[in-house]
Amino acid sequence: AQTVTQSQPEMSVQEAETVTLSCTYDTSESDYYLFWYKQPPSRQMILVIRQEAYKQQNATENRFSVNFQKAAKSFSLKISDSQLGDAAMYFCAYRMNRDDKIIFGKGTRLHILP
Amino acid sequence: DGGITQSPKYLFRKEGQNVTLSCEQNLNHDAMYWYRQDPGQGLRLIYYSQIVNDFQKGDIAEGYSVSREKKESFPLTVTSAQKNPTAFYLCASSMWGLADQPQHFGDGTRLSIL
Repeated sequence: AQTVTQSQPEMSVQEAETVTLSCTYDTSESDYYLFWYKQPPSRQMILVIRQEAYKQQNATENRFSVNFQKAAKSFSLKISDSQLGDAAMYFCAYRMNRDDKIIFGKGTRLHILP
Repeated sequence: DGGITQSPKYLFRKEGQNVTLSCEQNLNHDAMYWYRQDPGQGLRLIYYSQIVNDFQKGDIAEGYSVSREKKESFPLTVTSAQKNPTAFYLCASSMWGLADQPQHFGDGTRLSIL
């Protein structure tokens, strides 16, 4: 069965600094998608970034980028120039191409220190 | 604007009572999902539906029931058999068969026991 592991329950970063959130996953599939979602205190789930497994190029969305290592089954999220509004729970998620289910990690709570 | 509407935002259940959480979407999405969120547990899948009049159990379906009579609606009933229903419940939807498309989420319902 596929699993998603986020090994850092909580992290803190100084405002304007860079932080990396870790995510590893376990799958025997080769065709899948990976996502990072953000859940601020409002509890609304917001898509941050997505990565297609067959694409070697790492996805980037403004200050957010990923380091996708397919062989290592690693999908870390880098947030550059951290802002106070980045404070949230971040969930890593996996979705197999031929399945509608998404599997979520347990989340990493990110604190931004002013 | 298209989106997902969950109601109510807060719900209280008495012992032995069934309660129903509403989820409506106007995104024309085929697939809809219910998740339960507990502290430190991430999002756990309760039920999902890919098409009207059909649904599948997720990882923690015991004590819950759903129906999908309309494409737009996917209500979740928390039955008296669910002994620990206190949690935050999230409804989501997505296009069926398009694994690269992210799930869209509602704002959630917080259920508590009286």
